[in-house]
Amino acid sequence: RKEVEQDPGPFNVPEGATVAFNCTYSNSASQSFFWYRQDCRKEPKLLMSVYSSGNEDGRFTAQLNRASQYISLLIRDSKLSDSATYLCVVNRGGGNKLTFGTGTQLKVEL
Amino acid sequence: GAVVSQHPSWVICKSGTSVKIECRSLDFQATTMFWYRQFPKQSLMLMATSNEGSKATYEQGVEKDKFLINHASLTLSTLTVTSAHPEDSSFYICSASASGGYYNEQFFGPGTRLTVL
Repeated sequence: RKEVEQDPGPFNVPEGATVAFNCTYSNSASQSFFWYRQDCRKEPKLLMSVYSSGNEDGRFTAQLNRASQYISLLIRDSKLSDSATYLCVVNRGGGNKLTFGTGTQLKVEL
Repeated sequence: GAVVSQHPSWVICKSGTSVKIECRSLDFQATTMFWYRQFPKQSLMLMATSNEGSKATYEQGVEKDKFLINHASLTLSTLTVTSAHPEDSSFYICSASASGGYYNEQFFGPGTRLTVL
């Protein structure tokens, strides 16, 4: 089983749609959780950290369920510029090493 | 914000040659630097972690004699792919963290695309 699993997609959605991505992780000792965005042939960029209480940043909402070892990202009112691959990332059992999921590709269309 | 640069951004080389990739933190001191590799349609895989002034720690399955890492200063780490072969062709990305402690944000470089002919 992969340490971090994501549906690879692609998710093709019209502009303005709401889309949700899910992620599961296997290491119950993980303490920090993130969503990164990666554009084609570019480095990943931090989108947001994910907290147990859930957190929101503009159109983006992240949720964490530690009991189920499940992380989600909700994007509301999708923009064309949201088209990218979204990476679910967890740190390994505490510490400073990150494990990346393979990413979920989002394509927002007119 | 924290900026990390990588050089070169892309390189094409012949099989058997060695390639050096530099990773620099431009506006902060990076106690820890990380080297990742990403094959097409795959996730970033951590290759090694390096702390300034000490030997790098390699992940399982990564050959330390093939991927030489030097972290000689708080702003520079280098990855040398020795005797590169076509299967080493990949996107190599470094990241830098200001502290080696519990967790500090990693700032990623723009990556180096290596193609070995």
